[in-house]
Amino acid sequence: QLQLQESGPGLVKPSETLSLTCTVSGDSVNNDNYYWGWIRQPPGKGLECIGSVDLTGYTYYNPSLKSRVTMSVDTSKNQISLELKSVTAADTAVYFCARRTGGAAPKFDHWGRGTLVTVSS
Amino acid sequence: QSVLTQAPSVSAAPGQKVTISCSGSSFNIGNNYVSWYQQFPGTAPKLLISENNKRPSGIPDRFSGSKSGTSATLGITGLQTGDEADYYCGTWDSRLSGNYVFGTGTKVIVL
Repeated sequence: QLQLQESGPGLVKPSETLSLTCTVSGDSVNNDNYYWGWIRQPPGKGLECIGSVDLTGYTYYNPSLKSRVTMSVDTSKNQISLELKSVTAADTAVYFCARRTGGAAPKFDHWGRGTLVTVSS
Repeated sequence: QSVLTQAPSVSAAPGQKVTISCSGSSFNIGNNYVSWYQQFPGTAPKLLISENNKRPSGIPDRFSGSKSGTSATLGITGLQTGDEADYYCGTWDSRLSGNYVFGTGTKVIVL
Protein backbone atom coordinates (compact mmCIF):
# COMPACT_ATOMS: atom_id res chain seq x y z
CA GLN A 1 0.00 0.00 0.00
CA LEU A 2 1.38 3.36 -1.04
CA GLN A 3 2.41 5.66 1.80
CA LEU A 4 4.04 9.08 1.73
CA GLN A 5 5.62 10.66 4.81
CA GLU A 6 6.77 14.26 4.98
CA SER A 7 9.60 15.25 7.31
CA GLY A 8 11.63 18.34 8.11
CA PRO A 9 11.93 21.26 10.51
CA GLY A 10 8.68 22.61 11.88
CA LEU A 11 10.14 26.06 12.39
CA VAL A 12 12.13 28.14 9.90
CA LYS A 13 13.42 31.68 10.35
CA PRO A 14 12.46 34.42 7.90
CA SER A 15 14.82 34.77 4.93
CA GLU A 16 16.13 31.23 5.42
CA THR A 17 15.48 28.12 3.31
CA LEU A 18 12.68 25.66 4.03
CA SER A 19 13.74 22.08 3.33
CA LEU A 20 11.40 19.09 3.41
CA THR A 21 11.69 15.45 2.44
CA CYS A 22 8.98 13.01 1.44
CA THR A 23 9.70 9.30 1.90
CA VAL A 24 7.72 7.03 -0.39
CA SER A 25 6.89 3.42 0.45
CA GLY A 26 4.78 0.97 -1.49
CA ASP A 27 5.83 2.42 -4.85
CA SER A 28 9.02 3.58 -6.50
CA VAL A 29 9.81 7.16 -7.41
CA ASN A 30 11.32 5.51 -10.50
CA ASN A 31 7.83 4.63 -11.70
CA ASP A 32 7.53 6.52 -14.98
CA ASN A 33 3.75 6.56 -14.78
CA TYR A 34 3.78 9.18 -12.04
CA TYR A 35 5.00 12.54 -10.89
CA TRP A 36 5.63 13.50 -7.28
CA GLY A 37 4.29 16.78 -6.03
CA TRP A 38 4.21 19.23 -3.17
CA ILE A 39 1.05 21.08 -2.16
CA ARG A 40 0.72 23.54 0.69
CA GLN A 41 -2.16 24.92 2.72
CA PRO A 42 -1.80 28.02 4.90
CA PRO A 43 -3.78 27.83 8.16
CA GLY A 44 -7.47 28.27 7.43
CA LYS A 45 -6.92 28.68 3.70
CA GLY A 46 -7.07 26.64 0.51
CA LEU A 47 -4.71 24.35 -1.35
CA GLU A 48 -1.84 25.61 -3.50
CA CYS A 49 0.20 23.33 -5.74
CA ILE A 50 3.89 24.20 -5.42
CA GLY A 51 4.90 21.89 -8.25
CA SER A 52 5.83 18.38 -9.23
CA VAL A 53 8.83 16.39 -10.38
CA ASP A 54 9.30 13.19 -12.36
CA LEU A 55 11.92 10.46 -12.14
CA THR A 56 14.23 12.28 -14.54
CA GLY A 57 14.12 15.41 -12.43
CA TYR A 58 11.88 17.27 -14.87
CA THR A 59 9.86 19.80 -12.94
CA TYR A 60 6.66 21.79 -13.20
CA TYR A 61 6.62 24.73 -10.80
CA ASN A 62 3.91 27.15 -9.76
CA PRO A 63 4.84 30.35 -11.64
CA SER A 64 4.34 32.44 -8.50
CA LEU A 65 6.92 30.38 -6.60
CA LYS A 66 9.24 29.30 -9.38
CA SER A 67 12.04 31.72 -8.52
CA ARG A 68 12.33 30.29 -4.99
CA VAL A 69 11.56 26.58 -5.44
CA THR A 70 13.69 23.53 -6.12
CA MET A 71 12.33 19.98 -6.21
CA SER A 72 14.33 16.84 -6.72
CA VAL A 73 14.12 13.07 -6.65
CA ASP A 74 16.51 10.72 -4.83
CA THR A 75 15.92 7.30 -6.36
CA SER A 76 18.42 5.58 -4.04
CA LYS A 77 16.40 6.61 -0.98
CA ASN A 78 12.99 6.61 -2.71
CA GLN A 79 12.48 10.18 -1.60
CA ILE A 80 11.51 13.52 -3.07
CA SER A 81 12.62 16.82 -1.65
CA LEU A 82 11.48 20.42 -1.57
CA GLU A 83 13.52 23.56 -1.00
CA LEU A 84 11.89 26.97 -0.74
CA LYS A 85 14.29 29.90 -0.43
CA SER A 86 13.93 33.27 1.26
CA VAL A 87 10.84 32.35 3.24
CA THR A 88 8.50 34.82 4.90
CA ALA A 89 5.55 34.46 7.24
CA ALA A 90 3.37 33.98 4.15
CA ASP A 91 5.06 30.61 3.62
CA THR A 92 3.69 29.28 6.91
CA ALA A 93 1.54 26.32 5.93
CA VAL A 94 0.93 22.61 6.11
CA TYR A 95 3.04 21.05 3.37
CA PHE A 96 1.76 17.87 1.74
CA CYS A 97 3.58 15.57 -0.65
CA ALA A 98 1.46 13.59 -3.07
CA ARG A 99 1.66 11.31 -6.08
CA ARG A 100 0.36 12.79 -9.32
CA THR A 101 -0.69 10.85 -12.36
CA GLY A 102 0.52 12.06 -15.71
CA GLY A 103 -1.01 11.87 -19.14
CA ALA A 104 -4.21 13.53 -20.18
CA ALA A 105 -5.91 13.49 -16.80
CA PRO A 106 -3.47 14.52 -14.07
CA LYS A 107 -4.68 14.13 -10.53
CA PHE A 108 -3.19 13.69 -7.06
CA ASP A 109 -4.30 10.21 -6.09
CA HIS A 110 -2.30 9.57 -2.91
CA TRP A 111 -1.30 12.10 -0.26
CA GLY A 112 0.93 12.22 2.77
CA ARG A 113 -0.49 13.42 6.07
CA GLY A 114 1.26 16.76 5.81
CA THR A 115 3.67 18.63 8.02
CA LEU A 116 3.21 22.09 9.49
CA VAL A 117 6.02 24.55 8.83
CA THR A 118 5.96 27.84 10.68
CA VAL A 119 8.10 30.76 9.55
CA SER A 120 9.00 32.86 12.53
CA SER A 121 12.02 34.35 14.24
CA GLN B 1 -4.95 33.93 -6.04
CA SER B 2 -6.49 30.70 -7.34
CA VAL B 3 -7.52 30.63 -10.99
CA LEU B 4 -10.46 28.35 -10.21
CA THR B 5 -13.39 29.91 -8.37
CA GLN B 6 -15.78 28.14 -5.99
CA ALA B 7 -18.48 29.41 -3.65
CA PRO B 8 -17.18 29.61 -0.07
CA SER B 9 -19.94 27.42 1.33
CA VAL B 10 -23.13 25.53 0.56
CA SER B 11 -25.58 24.02 3.01
CA ALA B 12 -28.46 21.61 3.06
CA ALA B 13 -30.31 19.28 5.40
CA PRO B 14 -29.50 15.57 5.69
CA GLY B 15 -30.90 13.59 2.78
CA GLN B 16 -30.92 16.57 0.47
CA LYS B 17 -28.70 17.28 -2.53
CA VAL B 18 -25.99 19.90 -2.93
CA THR B 19 -24.02 21.01 -5.96
CA ILE B 20 -20.65 22.72 -5.91
CA SER B 21 -19.49 24.67 -8.94
CA CYS B 22 -15.96 25.34 -10.08
CA SER B 23 -15.37 28.07 -12.64
CA GLY B 24 -12.23 28.41 -14.70
CA SER B 25 -11.12 29.26 -18.23
CA SER B 26 -9.95 27.74 -21.48
CA PHE B 27 -6.45 27.53 -20.00
CA ASN B 28 -7.57 25.00 -17.42
CA ILE B 29 -11.05 23.47 -17.13
CA GLY B 30 -11.94 24.23 -20.73
CA ASN B 31 -9.25 21.92 -22.09
CA ASN B 32 -8.41 19.53 -19.27
CA TYR B 33 -10.02 16.92 -17.05
CA VAL B 34 -11.24 18.00 -13.63
CA SER B 35 -10.80 16.20 -10.32
CA TRP B 36 -12.49 16.79 -6.98
CA TYR B 37 -10.98 16.38 -3.52
CA GLN B 38 -12.61 16.05 -0.09
CA GLN B 39 -10.81 17.32 3.00
CA PHE B 40 -11.81 16.96 6.64
CA PRO B 41 -10.27 19.32 9.21
CA GLY B 42 -6.73 18.40 10.13
CA THR B 43 -6.40 15.70 7.48
CA ALA B 44 -5.01 15.39 3.97
CA PRO B 45 -7.26 15.84 0.95
CA LYS B 46 -8.66 12.70 -0.61
CA LEU B 47 -9.37 12.14 -4.28
CA LEU B 48 -13.14 11.98 -4.75
CA ILE B 49 -13.70 12.32 -8.49
CA SER B 50 -11.24 12.09 -11.38
CA GLU B 51 -11.48 12.69 -15.13
CA ASN B 52 -14.58 14.87 -14.66
CA ASN B 53 -16.89 12.10 -13.51
CA LYS B 54 -15.05 8.94 -12.46
CA ARG B 55 -15.19 7.70 -8.89
CA PRO B 56 -12.13 5.91 -7.48
CA SER B 57 -12.72 2.62 -5.77
CA GLY B 58 -14.57 3.02 -2.49
CA ILE B 59 -16.22 6.34 -3.27
CA PRO B 60 -20.02 6.06 -2.95
CA ASP B 61 -22.17 6.79 -5.97
CA ARG B 62 -23.80 9.61 -4.00
CA PHE B 63 -20.89 11.67 -5.31
CA SER B 64 -20.92 12.64 -8.98
CA GLY B 65 -19.05 15.02 -11.24
CA SER B 66 -19.69 16.77 -14.52
CA LYS B 67 -18.09 19.37 -16.76
CA SER B 68 -19.41 21.81 -19.29
CA GLY B 69 -17.23 24.33 -21.08
CA THR B 70 -15.07 26.12 -18.55
CA SER B 71 -17.04 25.01 -15.47
CA ALA B 72 -17.30 21.80 -13.49
CA THR B 73 -19.78 20.63 -10.91
CA LEU B 74 -19.67 18.21 -7.99
CA GLY B 75 -22.95 16.78 -6.80
CA ILE B 76 -23.67 15.08 -3.51
CA THR B 77 -27.02 13.35 -3.08
CA GLY B 78 -28.49 11.84 0.08
CA LEU B 79 -26.41 14.26 2.13
CA GLN B 80 -25.03 12.83 5.38
CA THR B 81 -23.54 14.52 8.41
CA GLY B 82 -20.28 12.77 7.56
CA ASP B 83 -20.13 14.69 4.28
CA GLU B 84 -19.48 17.95 6.11
CA ALA B 85 -16.04 18.86 4.80
CA ASP B 86 -14.17 21.13 2.41
CA TYR B 87 -14.27 20.27 -1.28
CA TYR B 88 -11.75 21.41 -3.89
CA CYS B 89 -11.73 21.13 -7.63
CA GLY B 90 -8.42 20.69 -9.41
CA THR B 91 -7.08 20.55 -12.93
CA TRP B 92 -4.10 21.32 -15.12
CA ASP B 93 -3.44 24.91 -16.15
CA SER B 94 -1.53 25.19 -19.38
CA ARG B 95 -0.25 28.73 -19.00
CA LEU B 96 3.51 29.24 -19.03
CA SER B 97 5.11 25.83 -18.51
CA GLY B 98 2.02 24.37 -16.87
CA ASN B 99 1.07 23.52 -13.32
CA TYR B 100 -1.73 21.86 -11.43
CA VAL B 101 -4.21 24.30 -9.88
CA PHE B 102 -6.87 23.97 -7.20
CA GLY B 103 -10.11 25.80 -6.70
CA THR B 104 -10.71 28.15 -3.79
CA GLY B 105 -12.61 25.46 -1.92
CA THR B 106 -16.21 25.06 -0.77
CA LYS B 107 -17.32 24.08 2.71
CA VAL B 108 -20.34 21.82 2.77
CA ILE B 109 -22.47 22.42 5.85
CA VAL B 110 -25.03 19.82 6.84
CA LEU B 111 -27.84 21.59 8.69
